[in-house]
Amino acid sequence: QVELVESGGGVVQPGRSLRLSCAASGFTFSSYGIHWVRQAPGKGLEWLTYISYDGTIEHYADSVTGRFTTSRDNSKKTVYLQINSLRIEDTGVYFCAKDRDAAMDVDYWGQGTLVSVSS
Amino acid sequence: DIVMTQSPLSLPVTPGESASISCRSSQSLLKSYGHNFLHWYLQRPGQSPQLLIYLGSNRASGVPDRFSGGGSGTDFTLSISRVEAEDVGVYYCMQTLQTPLTFGGGTRVEIK
Repeated sequence: QVELVESGGGVVQPGRSLRLSCAASGFTFSSYGIHWVRQAPGKGLEWLTYISYDGTIEHYADSVTGRFTTSRDNSKKTVYLQINSLRIEDTGVYFCAKDRDAAMDVDYWGQGTLVSVSS
Repeated sequence: DIVMTQSPLSLPVTPGESASISCRSSQSLLKSYGHNFLHWYLQRPGQSPQLLIYLGSNRASGVPDRFSGGGSGTDFTLSISRVEAEDVGVYYCMQTLQTPLTFGGGTRVEIK
């Protein structure tokens, strides 16, 4: 069965960096794009980034462009989210999610990893 | 950016009755070959979101036929017939016509 497992979250001070990982299993990882979506405490869903199946295409929300970078290692079936210059407002649960197909909708989500930015 | 607007914000429903949620986009989500790039998700309390409906009207695998999606262009509706207790949670619409991808603000469905 499809499984996505995020890791790397934690409590971090403003201005620091963090790298999140999303480990995949149960599907042909190298054939699907992966998204990162964030949910601030008690709030709705915010799309952050997308990386294509082969890593050649990346898209970012305006709010994170320049600070967030997504990458992938198909040999390790893992996608990464590098977050630099963390801000208080980056606090939330970070989900990775798998493309269903070329329409870029998501059919499977991980359980999320919590990032808490606090001094 | 495409703005997605959902209504209502909150929807109390009685088990066994039907419910509907509206989602409007600031521009048409219809592509030339007839697909609307609009999708619906349910996030149950304490869980990750799950896909209910993709491309406007297609039920995802395992989703009960009580759920249906309709609409085209800029106006879409998610309908739930015979609401059950397990349907409680927050429903989101999402557009994938263009980046940045955007979600509606969510509609909280609760049992009366």
